[in-house]
Amino acid sequence: DADVTQTPRNRITKTGKRIMLECSQTKGHDRMYWYRQDPGLGLRLIYYSFDVKDINKGEISDGYSVSRQAQAKFSLSLESAIPNQTALYFCATSTSGEETQYFGPGTRLLVL
Amino acid sequence: GNSVTQMEGPVTLSEEAFLTINCTYTATGYPSLFWYVQYPGEGLQLLLKATKADDKGSNKGFEATYRKETTSFHLEKGSVQVSDSAVYFCALSASNAGGTSYGKLTFGQGTILTVHP
Repeated sequence: DADVTQTPRNRITKTGKRIMLECSQTKGHDRMYWYRQDPGLGLRLIYYSFDVKDINKGEISDGYSVSRQAQAKFSLSLESAIPNQTALYFCATSTSGEETQYFGPGTRLLVL
Repeated sequence: GNSVTQMEGPVTLSEEAFLTINCTYTATGYPSLFWYVQYPGEGLQLLLKATKADDKGSNKGFEATYRKETTSFHLEKGSVQVSDSAVYFCALSASNAGGTSYGKLTFGQGTILTVHP
């Protein structure tokens, strides 16, 4: 079984809809991250959480919110989706004291 | 702020050719440097890393040396295979003077590599 899972893997939605992307991990890591990937731009950090009660904005948090329901779960919400949020979204985890991050398989989101 | 710049792609090579993907960085503090690889339809996975100047990371025939004087971390492989076709990302994780990581990665834009038989 994969250590970092994301659901759904693919999602098509319409402008203005609220959607949630979910991430779960079985690695026992305390840190979790949400990134988006756009062609030619690499990965950009949306939000990150170093602990259940420690949530921080990344470089492109506008239009997004997150919830850390438990150490193993970190959800990303788009309150009112817009077409330029069409992208590939990745969740990642790491442990404090270890810089390597471990990525989920990604969620491909299309906003029409 | 921190930034990573990779060579423009895509890169197309024949099997057994030599590969170089250039990566340069700008960072405050004392960064660790990474190469991640993304195979088609998958998430990113760590390929190799180096945590201090002059360190060489290596894995699966790939190598990269942390060059502080040129702020570079170029990825090389002597003989590529079709199975190496993927997107390669250079990244850094900045740390303070005491070596404590800030815990966030800054990525380059990615380089698409295609290897033909």
